[in-house]
Amino acid sequence: GQQLNQSPQSMFIQEGEDVSMNCTSSSIFNTWLWYKQDPGEGPVLLIALYKAGELTSNGRLTAQFGITRKDSFLNISASIPSDVGIYFCAGVDNNDMRFGAGTRLTVKP
Amino acid sequence: NAGVTQTPKFQVLKTGQSMTLQCAQDMNHEYMSWYRQDPGMGLRLIHYSVGAGITDQGEVPNGYNVSRSTTEDFPLRLLSAAPSQTSVYFCASSYVRDGELFFGEGSRLTVL
Repeated sequence: GQQLNQSPQSMFIQEGEDVSMNCTSSSIFNTWLWYKQDPGEGPVLLIALYKAGELTSNGRLTAQFGITRKDSFLNISASIPSDVGIYFCAGVDNNDMRFGAGTRLTVKP
Repeated sequence: NAGVTQTPKFQVLKTGQSMTLQCAQDMNHEYMSWYRQDPGMGLRLIHYSVGAGITDQGEVPNGYNVSRSTTEDFPLRLLSAAPSQTSVYFCASSYVRDGELFFGEGSRLTVL
């Protein structure tokens, strides 16, 4: 099946720093989704991308749908302590949704 | 609206025991699914349902059964638990199969 490679696996940053993470695949997806999982909770959708090349923002978060349709990027600007959690990418194609392994973000005050 | 509700939140089983993880949603979603989350593996689909009376296997279905007798409920059954089934289980629902998923808070299962 389609495999998603999400990197980095974990990040330790200082409050105020910017964060970048990405997902790549050998297969094409029609939709890219980014979820955040707070400790002890279920994932919650942050951003959805539906078109190659699309750049979408949600507050301090910006995500891009790669032009090749095989990758996606998530940036967080000016991180704050509540950004802590696990960020998952998900690719969707033909009703099949696949998740990346997640990026665990730790923010030091 | 409560969204997606999962019970129990924590469970410890002995190898060979059976149990059912309950999942209910009050958003009238047609699509419901079960995932397991393991360190470094992300979320892997166990079973899913596109509507009442319809279920299908996901990526890792072995050792699990599901049924969908109503739109609201989608229980996950472990007939004979194994240590390899130690994991955090998430139920999720959406209007359509490739739509935004709404997740429950998770059920942490330990099989000894």
